[in-house]
Order: sequence, then structure tokens, then C-alpha cells
Amino acid sequence: GAGVSQTPSNKVTEKGKYVELRCDPISGHTALYWYRQSLGQGPEFLIYFQGTGAADDSGLPNDRFFAVRPEGSVSTLKIQRTERGDSAVYLCASSPQTGGMETQYFGPGTRLLVL
Amino acid sequence: GEDVEQSLFLSVREGDSSVINCTYTDSSSTYLYWYKQEPGAGLQLLTYIFSNMDMKQDQRLTVLLNKKDKHLSLRIADTQTGDSAIYFCAEEKSGYSTLTFGKGTMLLVSP
Repeated sequence: GAGVSQTPSNKVTEKGKYVELRCDPISGHTALYWYRQSLGQGPEFLIYFQGTGAADDSGLPNDRFFAVRPEGSVSTLKIQRTERGDSAVYLCASSPQTGGMETQYFGPGTRLLVL
Repeated sequence: GEDVEQSLFLSVREGDSSVINCTYTDSSSTYLYWYKQEPGAGLQLLTYIFSNMDMKQDQRLTVLLNKKDKHLSLRIADTQTGDSAIYFCAEEKSGYSTLTFGKGTMLLVSP
């Protein structure tokens, strides 16, 4: 399996709960991106990592959202005190490196539903 | 307003050509992309064009870029029912590595 994988594929939670979404990028890809896609919308950028560090987190909507990539491979997106408005598909993408024409390869997404 | 705008829906008959249009607002964008999303699936890169090009052809796909008008189009020749999906236009702005997507155009191909 050479593609980007995301787990879980679906997550249902209650308002106020904490959730973690995981992304396994393509092996060797140094750049990793998180996007959020609400119903009927295009993906919206959240955060991207170059290696272990967050190179740009300007898309995170508020401080309830946080992401880590401690070893420069797997990344976890963490959402605290979830709200119904957080319901969306969370997409992860990876690319060999940032800058220039570097194709972003997307995973299938995690569908989060906050009741 | 939206950085990237697309029409929401296009319906064509099998065998016809499809043209999906997109406008963007950042003239410094370096690369422009077309992604395809099938129901329940992730995004698949179809093609891209560098900002110094006017046209790019890749099998049934033709991308046209009018930089003056900030207009991008994707033409699919001999459209098939398997082409039914949502197509997203995205721009990569100069100095940024992230993509800004439009809302997507749903293409419906009828037999």
C-alpha cells in the first residue's frame, strides 16, 4: 500500500468530546498537509508540516485544533471540545517536498460527525 | 469573496466534450491544478499547468490558461460516464506550498 492512509475512516462523537485523527503519509514524503472539506465545499487548508515542524498553521480555525508530527512521518490532528460545526471530512495529503511543482497525494479522508 | 470560483454543475451527454471553467484572483499563483473527486473517495490529481504556459494537453484533457483574465479551463474530450465526479480547480500561490481550492464543479455524464 503506497498511498496516504487515514484512520479512522469515520468518526462519530458527541459535542464537547476530544478526537484524534491519524494520517500515514507516503513513505519518504517530507511534507504533510491537513485540509478540511465541509459539505458542498472545496478543501480548506488547515496546517502543513515540513518534517517534524509545522511550517504553516495559519488555517487552523481556533485553538481547539492542534496537530503534531513528532517523528516526521505519521501525523495526528487533535480537536478538543468538539462542536457540531467541526463536522466535515478531514483530508490529509503528502508530497515529496515543498516548493515548486510537488504533487500532493491525498488520502481518502476521515468523516467526522459531531452530534 | 472566494479566491477560486467555479460553476457548480455541468451536465453533458456521453461522447460530448465537457468544459469546466475556473477563475482565480491571485496573479502570482505559480501552478494551477485540476483534481477529481469521486463519491466517497479522496482527491485525485488530474493535471496541472505552470503559470507561464497557455495550454497543456494530456490525452483527453486540455487545460487552457488565460493569465490576463485569471481564467482556467479544463476540457474533457469524448466524455464518458466514468468521468462523472466533482472537479476542483486549485491554485498554488507564489511563496506558499498550500493549495486554495474552488468549491468544485459537479459533472454529470448521461448515456
